[in-house]
Amino acid sequence: GESVGLHLPTLSVQEGDNSIINCAYSNSASDYFIWYKQESGKGPQFIIDIRSNMDKRQGQRVTVLLNKTVKHLSLQIAATQPGDSAVYFCAEIQGAQKLVFGQGTRLTINP
Amino acid sequence: NAGVTQTPKFQVLKTGQSMTLQCAQDMNHNSMYWYRQDPGMGLRLIYYSASEGTTDKGEVPNGYNVSRLNKREFSLRLESAAPSQTSVYFCASSIPTSGVFQSSTDTQYFGPGTRLTVL
Repeated sequence: GESVGLHLPTLSVQEGDNSIINCAYSNSASDYFIWYKQESGKGPQFIIDIRSNMDKRQGQRVTVLLNKTVKHLSLQIAATQPGDSAVYFCAEIQGAQKLVFGQGTRLTINP
Repeated sequence: NAGVTQTPKFQVLKTGQSMTLQCAQDMNHNSMYWYRQDPGMGLRLIYYSASEGTTDKGEVPNGYNVSRLNKREFSLRLESAAPSQTSVYFCASSIPTSGVFQSSTDTQYFGPGTRLTVL
């Protein structure tokens, strides 16, 4: 079946630097994507979303880019802080109410 | 608001034992969900309930049953636990009544999880 996957399982960046987390998806019919942040011992927390009719969406220190041509999604976090250390998941809406999650990328912010 | 709450936080079972995981939300959401998360993986949908009185299978429903007790509560039952069900279980809830995500307000809010070990 179709699934959402991630290019890199781990990513380390220096505090203050920008980070980019990537995600590939295979269902070209998907029209809504979400990025979640999961801190240790907690449930996933919504960060930002994007619909397929958009290429870019910005939030506070975060930007999501969508490239439908190559079915690629990325999450950019600006000026990373220690609190940004977490596992980040992209999720794809497949059908009504069904989120399909990728494997996740563990982001570590080094002091 | 407490959001989505789950009990218990931790549980150890022996193979063949049964148990029920409880979930409640106080956000007046219509839809509720149960996921499992295995090490190094994303979440997989077990069952969901689009509205009070309805339940549907997700990606990995085998070995589980659910009950949407009322609008607030959605329980997950393991009738005969197996080691393969060792996982972290997350409950989630969301608003939509139409069953289709429209915007970020429709996104799912997750509970803190239940860590289950089956020996």
